[in-house]
Amino acid sequence: DTAVSQTPKYLVTQMGNDKSIKCEQNLGHDTMYWYKQDSKKFLKIMFSYNNKELIINETVPNRFSPKSPDKAHLNLHINSLELGDSAVYFCASSQGQGLSPLHFGNGTRLTVT
Amino acid sequence: QKEVEQNSGPLSVPEGAIASLNCTYSDRGSQSFFWYRQYSGKSPELIMSIYSNGDKEDGRFTAQLNKASQYVSLLIRDSQPSDSATYLCAVKKWTGNQFYFGTGTSLTVIP
Repeated sequence: DTAVSQTPKYLVTQMGNDKSIKCEQNLGHDTMYWYKQDSKKFLKIMFSYNNKELIINETVPNRFSPKSPDKAHLNLHINSLELGDSAVYFCASSQGQGLSPLHFGNGTRLTVT
Repeated sequence: QKEVEQNSGPLSVPEGAIASLNCTYSDRGSQSFFWYRQYSGKSPELIMSIYSNGDKEDGRFTAQLNKASQYVSLLIRDSQPSDSATYLCAVKKWTGNQFYFGTGTSLTVIP
């Protein structure tokens, strides 16, 4: 069974469009994350969210917004897509305040043309 | 100052040698430390975690943590071509459950 799953795997779209990436975890974790990985492999945290607190990396444009219908899902909405948004986006989850590591989804490669 | 810094490499070692990967972190409030391996086009996968000062061994992998020096390393013994990947150091802080990553070290094991 897939622990953290995200869809779609590939997303090609034009500048100015709005798109969403879905993420679901079946690990029972209480915290979910979105990371952006650029072409140089740097993983930058965008958001972390549990049922109590949303933490937003201050460098993330407000065109990006997380939506969590329940603790097992954290979707990423992106408005007015720009060329610089092209990257691989990873969803991940972890179990709260403990020493639990991050578990990653398979990633979504977003290409903005 | 970056939260986590790694020597980006690339690092090349011959098959059977020891590969040594290093990482430093800036926040003394960091709680736990992880090494992830990422193959090209794949997601990061956890290979080691360490929380206390000293060494932790798992098969061919040894993680070393020195909190006083804010330094964590990964040794890969008897390196294999299948170990060729990017290795990411990650640090988890006590507050906010935030994980911060280094820029990764690209390792190539030459047969």
